[in-house]
Amino acid sequence: QKEVEQNSGPLSVPEGAIASLNCTYSDRGSQSFFWYRQYSGKSPELIMSIYSNGDKEDGRFTAQLNKASQYVSLLIRDSQPSDSATYLCAVSNTGNQFYFGTGTSLTVIP
Amino acid sequence: DTAVSQTPKYLVTQMGNDKSIKCEQNLGHDTMYWYKQDSKKFLKIMFSYNNKELIINETVPNRFSPKSPDKAHLNLHINSLELGDSAVYFCASSQAGAPHTQYFGPGTRLTVL
Repeated sequence: QKEVEQNSGPLSVPEGAIASLNCTYSDRGSQSFFWYRQYSGKSPELIMSIYSNGDKEDGRFTAQLNKASQYVSLLIRDSQPSDSATYLCAVSNTGNQFYFGTGTSLTVIP
Repeated sequence: DTAVSQTPKYLVTQMGNDKSIKCEQNLGHDTMYWYKQDSKKFLKIMFSYNNKELIINETVPNRFSPKSPDKAHLNLHINSLELGDSAVYFCASSQAGAPHTQYFGPGTRLTVL
């Protein structure tokens, strides 16, 4: 049973469009939610974290959390070719355990 | 300055050999992790140490043995390497307590021939 699920993609969007990435999780006790970006051959880097229901905006990125539906999403506005990467959703409970999804591959087409 | 560093970056070895990967963080974090990322990009936690003490030990073959000489270092020793061990191994660190975020090292690509 997978704790965190994402569509593997690939997801392709034209430059300037909104990219929408989705993630569901199984543990209702999850407290913290993260989106990491991983370029090919590189390590994951944190781009957004969210802890309470609702939206959280940071520049072109918006994270959305709905704990009742066990759903977290990431919206990327005005997508740029440099946003092309794999996006990993991560979920954490009150301990030090992190569960990652398998990632969604995003390609932004110039 | 590099926050989380790993050595070596690439490791190619024969089946049956024993190898080690080293990790160091200069962030002053209390908790360090080892992850394995397979060819399908699935990132799975293997071990977690908090102040040199093992706190998470996922279902990992006992051929894998982590060692933390101090809270800034977490090394991974692998005995009797198998083909299925080929993957990218990431070290990460974070502050203890929640919420917390993890900072990843550059990864070690292990290839077992």
